[in-house]
Amino acid sequence: DVKVTQSSRYLVKRTGEKVFLECVQDMDHENMFWYRQDPGLGLRLIYFSYDVKMKEKGDIPEGYSVSREKKERFSLILESASTNQTSMYLCASSSGSIEQYFGPGTRLTVT
Amino acid sequence: DQQVKQNSPSLSVQEGRISILNCDYTNSMFDYFLWYKKYPAEGPTFLISISSIKDKNEDGRFTVFLNKSAKHLSLHIVPSQPGDSAVYFCAASRQTGANNLFFGTGTRLTVIP
Repeated sequence: DVKVTQSSRYLVKRTGEKVFLECVQDMDHENMFWYRQDPGLGLRLIYFSYDVKMKEKGDIPEGYSVSREKKERFSLILESASTNQTSMYLCASSSGSIEQYFGPGTRLTVT
Repeated sequence: DQQVKQNSPSLSVQEGRISILNCDYTNSMFDYFLWYKKYPAEGPTFLISISSIKDKNEDGRFTVFLNKSAKHLSLHIVPSQPGDSAVYFCAASRQTGANNLFFGTGTRLTVIP
């Protein structure tokens, strides 16, 4: 079974802090994705990566950056957290197929 | 601009009856469609998919129907069970090129025992 893990289930940070969200997949998938889920807005793509050290902007990249130094790990970075970044963050991975496999999510609260 | 739309935020169905969840899309380039199910505090899990070369795909109690001319797909669950209570997301993609998923806003299904 594909396993996608995220470093924290719940996180509380203060405005202005730098926040790191880590995602690891164990199936040697080439593709990795970061989404945020907000009520009434569904899942929105922040960034994705098709290969190590490669990254592409999704629909809402502002205020975020990513890092992919190893194939199995994809990190989402909030350079200076703001209250409007309070959300559920979901990481996903996929191989050559279109189906994406999701981690359990990190609920981030920025106060 | 929301390219995939789920216009019903919620749906309640009696146990044993059919649940029908609807999804519309605007981009005619989409040629692959998926349904995901999400329980609270968990990530979405893949449920069923359909390619645009088909108009129906079935997997046990779950059937997805695709109407390309109407740019509409639906997920039928029959019979519905209380464990089906979750949020269901419709997603669309292109099979060639960058195959990112475009998600709808979700429909919360409640199956009443």
